[in-house]
Amino acid sequence: AQTVTQSQPEMSVQEAETVTLSCTYDTSESDYYLFWYKQPPSRQMILVIRQEAYKQQNATENRFSVNFQKAAKSFSLKISDSQLGDAAMYFCAYRSPSGGGSNYKLTFGKGTLLTVNP
Amino acid sequence: DTAVSQTPKYLVTQMGNDKSIKCEQNLGHDTMYWYKQDSKKFLKIMFSYNNKELIINETVPNRFSPKSPDKAHLNLHINSLELGDSAVYFCASSQVNHEQYFGPGTRLTVT
Repeated sequence: AQTVTQSQPEMSVQEAETVTLSCTYDTSESDYYLFWYKQPPSRQMILVIRQEAYKQQNATENRFSVNFQKAAKSFSLKISDSQLGDAAMYFCAYRSPSGGGSNYKLTFGKGTLLTVNP
Repeated sequence: DTAVSQTPKYLVTQMGNDKSIKCEQNLGHDTMYWYKQDSKKFLKIMFSYNNKELIINETVPNRFSPKSPDKAHLNLHINSLELGDSAVYFCASSQVNHEQYFGPGTRLTVT
């Protein structure tokens, strides 16, 4: 079974600074998907960024980028120019490719609570 | 234009009662899910339906019964509610090999 580990329960960053959230995962599959979701106090789960394992290029979405190290099974999220609105719980998630019953589910890490200081 | 909606957003009920949470998506997705987020914020899959067919049923007590009347709806019925059922329940939907979109969540409190 796949597992996802977020080793930082909490992180803080100064507004306008850069912060990196860590995520590692364990899998025997060669093809899969990785995601970062953000959950602000409103509790809405918001997709931040997605990475396909077969793509070597790291995904980027505006101020958000990932460092995907497939061999190391590492998938960290970098937030540049942090803003107050970035304060939230961030979840790393793993998903197998389609093709079987359990392959549709997301396996989540325990989350990292990010605080942004003005 | 709410993509994935859930009703109700809050539900407070007593132990032993039966309750339902409804979910609807207007994204045209084939697959829908129920996740449970516990008090420590841990998210875990409960069920998944693909084209109205149950494809994932994690180790969930059989007091929980999902029902998918059509591709756009996935409801969750819970019988004989227990204190430990208190949590936030999220509905989500996706197309195959695409990201999942979540509803706003339903906070269930069992007293």
